[in-house]
Amino acid sequence: KAGVTQTPRYLIKTRGQQVTLSCSPISGHRSVSWYQQTPGQGLQFLFEYFSETQRNKGNFPGRFSGRQFSNSRSEMNVSTLELGDSALYLCASSPARDNYGYTFGSGTRLTVV
Amino acid sequence: DQQVKQNSPSLSVQEGRISILNCDYTNSMFDYFLWYKKYPAEGPTFLISISSIKDKNEDGRFTVFLNKSAKHLSLHIVPSQPGDSAVYFCAASATYTGTASKLTFGTGTRLQVTL
Repeated sequence: KAGVTQTPRYLIKTRGQQVTLSCSPISGHRSVSWYQQTPGQGLQFLFEYFSETQRNKGNFPGRFSGRQFSNSRSEMNVSTLELGDSALYLCASSPARDNYGYTFGSGTRLTVV
Repeated sequence: DQQVKQNSPSLSVQEGRISILNCDYTNSMFDYFLWYKKYPAEGPTFLISISSIKDKNEDGRFTVFLNKSAKHLSLHIVPSQPGDSAVYFCAASATYTGTASKLTFGTGTRLQVTL
């Protein structure tokens, strides 16, 4: 079966712009989480969506937001991009909340110049 | 504040030998721990997990040990194979706080298995 699909794979944006990343979970998975990976910081939790509602949020500024659609697909948006937002953004899906059967996508590599 | 720490950024082991990857945590609310493996240009892949009610969990060549009093866990790979060369992340979760879905990751250890 198809895995977690993240688009686009690579993205270059300019400071001050905004960006939207997309995640299509595994069919039947209803929980979608987003993580940011930067060198030296590991993976940091951004937020989790389940049934179109944000259930958990990490310690990121309000410039980072997301949403989930009725088909469980999720998008995350970063506004007013800063150089420090350059990172690999990973999406993970799971069949249900509090289920550790997370499957990660390959990520979107965002570079802010 | 790094609540999950992997103090060794890299580790090199000969093929056939044991690889031991370490992880320390500071948050006493963590009660579920996972190890993920990541190859370049791919997302992390789940390897093995352990609940705080256990002190050992084994799956084939992979064994995770948990020492709650020391807030320390380790991943043993025996025997190590060249295909095990990857970055390994330790992650923790606090189910009792209602945030089980939020995983806190370490910074990773790059394992290189040499021939």
